[in-house]
Amino acid sequence: AQSVTQLDSHVSVSEGTPVLLRCNYSSSYSPSLFWYVQHPNKGLQLLLKYTSAATLVKGINGFEAEFKKSETSFHLTKPSAHMSDAAEYFCVVSPSGTYKYIFGTGTRLKVLA
Amino acid sequence: DAMVIQNPRYQVTQFGKPVTLSCSQTLNHNVMYWYQQKSSQAPKLLFHYYDKDFNNEADTPDNFQSRRPNTSFCFLDIRSPGLGDAAMYLCATSRDPGGLGTQYFGPGTRLTVL
Repeated sequence: AQSVTQLDSHVSVSEGTPVLLRCNYSSSYSPSLFWYVQHPNKGLQLLLKYTSAATLVKGINGFEAEFKKSETSFHLTKPSAHMSDAAEYFCVVSPSGTYKYIFGTGTRLKVLA
Repeated sequence: DAMVIQNPRYQVTQFGKPVTLSCSQTLNHNVMYWYQQKSSQAPKLLFHYYDKDFNNEADTPDNFQSRRPNTSFCFLDIRSPGLGDAAMYLCATSRDPGGLGTQYFGPGTRLTVL
């Protein structure tokens, strides 16, 4: 069975410090992996995606994520948090050959001034 | 710019009064999805269309229906909204279903049921 676990429901960081949002997945097939960001009352915006090419994926707004098959992880990082990064972040897995997009429960990022 | 558009952005309806939410896309994608997202929760897939083929999730209530008259448009009909149907409704598209496909989301319609 496929699943996604976002290990932290809330993360708080100070502005200018690194961000780490953790995601572990379980998938029987070679998955595609995505990170989306959702600001309040807005739709989901794609940050980055992994589709079996380079394991280190660079996305928009300075975010990146590393696919680690041995750890079944796809953690999202950013070197320096900005106030505008405060939002909800969803890790999503899509097993190859299916229509399914399986969402994690989300991590709410708070950025402190 | 190519995009996914949802109308209206905010919809208020009365308990039991039918409501229709609209989604259109300029991406020419084959697949269109409808999600329900309640406060502080992940989006929950209701159904999707792959071209004209309709695929309903097993746990989607019969109260929710969908129509896709052409590639660009998809509608969500709630036949008799209950208080528990108040949520954000998100439309998404992808060129291909799952796997290598990437979903693109609209801004959502927030439904209030009085």
